[in-house]
Amino acid sequence: AQKVTQAQTEISVVEKEDVTLDCVYETRDTTYYLFWYKQPPSGELVFLIRRNSFDEQNEISGRYSWNFQKSTSSFNFTITASQVVDSAVYFCALSDYSSASKIIFGSGTRLSIRP
Amino acid sequence: DAGVTQSPTHLIKTRGQQVTLRCSPKSGHDTVSWYQQALGQGPQFIFQYYEEEERQRGNFPDRFSGHQFPNYSSELNVNALLLGDSALYLCASSPRGSFVPEQYFGPGTRLTVT
Repeated sequence: AQKVTQAQTEISVVEKEDVTLDCVYETRDTTYYLFWYKQPPSGELVFLIRRNSFDEQNEISGRYSWNFQKSTSSFNFTITASQVVDSAVYFCALSDYSSASKIIFGSGTRLSIRP
Repeated sequence: DAGVTQSPTHLIKTRGQQVTLRCSPKSGHDTVSWYQQALGQGPQFIFQYYEEEERQRGNFPDRFSGHQFPNYSSELNVNALLLGDSALYLCASSPRGSFVPEQYFGPGTRLTVT
C-alpha cells in the first residue's frame, strides 16, 4: 500500500531561520514519483518539485532544497532564510506505478513564519 | 496560457441536494483528475478521466460521478449530499498520455453542505 507521512502538523519559526519539513513515504513499487506542493491561504495547490525514484540527487532551487534518501524512504524539504511569504501548508505526495497517475498526499505541515 | 480553471468558486447546498462542479484543463492537457480536500487534511483522489472515460477511481461512493467532454473539460457530480461532503474540491490536469503525474491544480471549488 502507498502512504505518505508528514509527522509535523505545525511548525512556527522566526523569519530568516532555516526550516526543514519532513516526509516519509511507503511504496512497494520501484518506480515512483515524489512531490511537494504548497497551499497558501487562497487554497490553490502550487507545484514545487517532482522527483523520480531513480534520481536521488538532491535539488536546490533558490532558497528551497530537497533531500531524497531511498534508504530511509524520506524526501525532506528545507527552506533557507525563511520569509513571511513562505507561510502556507506544505504537502508531500507520492505517485507510484501501481497507482498510475493518482497522487497520494500526506496530511500536510502548516508552516508559519513570524516577522 | 490559461491554467486549470474551476467553477463555481464557492457553493452552498442543503443535505440531500445534488451538485455539479466544473473544470477546464490547462491548454494542451487531456487528462483530468478530481480530488476532495476536507478541512485540515490532504487532498484525496476521487477519480480521473481520460478520453471521456473514467480511468481510475478512488475510494468514494457511487454518489460521486463524473463526465469528460470532447474538449477535455470535466464535471464532478455529487448526489444526495451529506454534511461530510463539505470540502474543497480540486481539479487537476495532466498532459496527453503522460504517466508522469505532473498535475496542475485549479483554484478549487469550496462546497458547504448545510
